[in-house]
Amino acid sequence: SQTIHQWPATLVQPVGSPLSLECTVEGTSNPNLYWYRQAAGRGLQLLFYSVGIGQISSEVPQNLSASRPQDRQFILSSKKLLLSDSGFYLCAWASLAGHAPDTQYFGPGTRLTVL
Amino acid sequence: GNSVTQMEGPVTLSEEAFLTINCTYTATGYPSLFWYVQYPGEGLQLLLKATKADDKGSNKGFEATYRKETTSFHLEKGSVQVSDSAVYFCALWRGSNYKLTFGKGTLLTVNP
Repeated sequence: SQTIHQWPATLVQPVGSPLSLECTVEGTSNPNLYWYRQAAGRGLQLLFYSVGIGQISSEVPQNLSASRPQDRQFILSSKKLLLSDSGFYLCAWASLAGHAPDTQYFGPGTRLTVL
Repeated sequence: GNSVTQMEGPVTLSEEAFLTINCTYTATGYPSLFWYVQYPGEGLQLLLKATKADDKGSNKGFEATYRKETTSFHLEKGSVQVSDSAVYFCALWRGSNYKLTFGKGTLLTVNP
């Protein structure tokens, strides 16, 4: 079966510090991968998605970036965090090769607090 | 473009009450429709889905029917429990861009 991991689970960082969040998926090959942010309130904002190694699409211009160095690894980074980067970051995957290419499965999330 | 509108709530119910959370959508063609649930401090979990008109998705006592004529996918449960307290998201998928379009979420609180 497929599983998705995110770490760290929680993170407290000072303004201006760098960031690296990691997401890995097990049990599937060549998944589509997604990064979402959930800020104050409940809404979900799609930040990046990737359809393959090295292929990144950005949805929102900001001080965040994403990379996909391996097929099942997706990394969210920042060189200098802003207060507004605080939130709950969710990674998700979907398999175009499977029987349900329309369905995304989410990880447990990373709670980021920027002070 | 695609969009999803759902009642924002919050919705507060007593245990064993009937639940309806409304969701309507705008999209071309026949999108796939979803309900996701997010328990406090956790990621989203797929609750149910429907991929074509008149399909009924169901799981854990929750149901939703894909209504093409009214472009709706309302979530219902006949008798809610305290453990159903969570945020519920309606979403749609049109295959051309690999992305889900989410509603803003509805916070449900069930009191004993």
